[in-house]
Amino acid sequence: GEEVAQTPKHLVRGEGQKAKLYCAPIKGHSYVFWYQQVLKNEFKFLISFQNENVFDETGMPKERFSAKCLPNSPCSLEIQATKLEDSAVYFCASSRTTASNYGYTFGSGTRLTVV
Amino acid sequence: GQNIDQPTEMTATEGAIVQINCTYQTSGFNGLFWYQQHAGEAPTFLSYNVLDGLEEKGRFSSFLSRSKGYSYLLLKELQMKDSASYLCAVFADKLIFGTGTRLQVFP
Repeated sequence: GEEVAQTPKHLVRGEGQKAKLYCAPIKGHSYVFWYQQVLKNEFKFLISFQNENVFDETGMPKERFSAKCLPNSPCSLEIQATKLEDSAVYFCASSRTTASNYGYTFGSGTRLTVV
Repeated sequence: GQNIDQPTEMTATEGAIVQINCTYQTSGFNGLFWYQQHAGEAPTFLSYNVLDGLEEKGRFSSFLSRSKGYSYLLLKELQMKDSASYLCAVFADKLIFGTGTRLQVFP
């Protein structure tokens, strides 16, 4: 499709529970990026993929966060044992290259609320 | 480190012109993007500058000075629907975002 599809739109988890977010990039886009937006603050880069391979994971918290992009499946971002501070909107984006002059195309985000 | 600064909030009147500034200090530079984000929605692409100067696209223009680490987004003939957050983002090896500027347009 021509849009980045993120599911679910909203997710509520109790502290300590697992959260799993999904992202289907635009067909033909080789790169997938995950960003975290806390409240209305800046986008924090988490991780990027080139097809199924991790391209840059410098923003990923070392514990509790993991991500995958497998062939013929939506990409996923998983948070084990969620904490209150994980409450944020998680945006996925995709692009054809890492240096496109159209930047990235973003999905509409998944709002995670940890209670 | 990476640092991108924008004003937090701005207000303007319908029909007016507003300029949103962005200063940056990043370890690399391969272009600067402006995105618009309405509340609860995805950011959408507005403009891209990689060379110094002004890029004009309808009511929106964006300017870049690489030597000064400075950009601005100029919005003309403001409309109510322009009320949104405007995000400045530098492409180094990935897109790095500033905190965004929340613009409110009043009648």
